[in-house]
Amino acid sequence: GAGVSQSPRYKVTKRGQDVALRCDPISGHVSLYWYRQALGQGPEFLTYFNYEAQQDKSGLPNDRFSAERPEGSISTLTIQRTEQRDSAMYRCASSKVPGFYNEQFFGPGTRLTVL
Amino acid sequence: ELKVEQNPLFLSMQEGKNYTIYCNYSTTSDRLYWYRQDPGKSLESLFVLLSNGAVKQEGRLMASLDTKARLSTLHITAAVHDLSATYFCAVTGTASKLTFGTGTRLQVTL
Repeated sequence: GAGVSQSPRYKVTKRGQDVALRCDPISGHVSLYWYRQALGQGPEFLTYFNYEAQQDKSGLPNDRFSAERPEGSISTLTIQRTEQRDSAMYRCASSKVPGFYNEQFFGPGTRLTVL
Repeated sequence: ELKVEQNPLFLSMQEGKNYTIYCNYSTTSDRLYWYRQDPGKSLESLFVLLSNGAVKQEGRLMASLDTKARLSTLHITAAVHDLSATYFCAVTGTASKLTFGTGTRLQVTL
């Protein structure tokens, strides 16, 4: 597609429920990144993939968070047993190739609210 | 741990005047990125700086990188209202992930 797309754009859930956030990167982009952005702050890294392989998950806050990209294109970030502190904007980015240049293009984000 | 600091955090600019935003980072990196974010919107890539001494310009914005000083600057020439937004710098270390600065919110007034 023309840009990175994410769905849903808004998600309201109750504490304890599981949520799945989807990211569709720019067509042909090899690398896919997940970030979390709190209000008034810069995005914070969560995890990233090259093709279908998860390269770095050091930013995932705890084991309730997981991500997959099974076919090297669309990715899903799953949060189990959501807590109020998980409320934030979750952003996905993609880049054409891994490596030196690595310009990342960001999607519109999913605003998650945990009640 | 890589840390990225920007200053100022907030900048009220008068239309037509020149201003500079500073981005300092804590460990060796030779890749620095500038992004713009409008309220409620996503991040738009402005510049990618890949080497010491790199300078890039687009319209009224000019970005430069000094890897020895671990400093990047974003210079705004003759500010106009359209430049009102939050600007982030971001750095990559040895990994591909971006570490973002705190952001600088620019507001241009008449």
